[in-house]
Amino acid sequence: GAVVSQHPSWVICKSGTSVKIECRSLDFQATTMFWYRQFPKQSLMLMATSNEGSKATYEQGVEKDKFLINHASLTLSTLTVTSAHPEDSSFYICSARPGTGGFNQPQHFGDGTRLSIL
Amino acid sequence: AQSVAQPEDQVNVAEGNPLTVKCTYSVSGNPYLFWYVQYPNRGLQFLLKYITGDNLVKGSYGFEAEFNKSQTSFHLKKPSALVSDSALYFCAVVNGQNFVFGPGTRLSVLP
Repeated sequence: GAVVSQHPSWVICKSGTSVKIECRSLDFQATTMFWYRQFPKQSLMLMATSNEGSKATYEQGVEKDKFLINHASLTLSTLTVTSAHPEDSSFYICSARPGTGGFNQPQHFGDGTRLSIL
Repeated sequence: AQSVAQPEDQVNVAEGNPLTVKCTYSVSGNPYLFWYVQYPNRGLQFLLKYITGDNLVKGSYGFEAEFNKSQTSFHLKKPSALVSDSALYFCAVVNGQNFVFGPGTRLSVLP
């Protein structure tokens, strides 16, 4: 149980393109989802916390207008990288916490999306 | 603020030998501690957690971790390493509703 599906797994696109990444909890409802960015050989950097039905909470230094997050249902959150440029190339990972889970419960992670902007 | 340190970037161990991946933490209050493993081009997989109770926590794939409050450590261990254990390991601590991850330790198990 507790499977998180992230799609697409790999995207290569031209500079200026907007890219949407989907994160779905397949067998549980997730009130809260998280979006991370990971650079090569580095740890995960939390970008934003996505709460169903409300605005996402962005970490300091993360551009809200650049990284649009929508959490329209209890099983789906999307991250849209708008007008992507080469410096946005990275590995993006989402995670979800079950709706009944407290803060001491594990987050369940998707398999990540590798974004390459040419 | 909560923080996690993993003092070793890389750990090498021979197959069949015991392995230890180190983690120390700094938190206010009682810590909620986690270990995750990441394989190449994949997300993170949950291994185990410490919330309360026994200091020795057993998790997936034969891994265990020992919570040591006096040393503020939560080292990951396995009695006999497998080549397939080679991966990137992250220690994490809960900070509010978020996780704070350590920098990661790359484990290489040599045949």
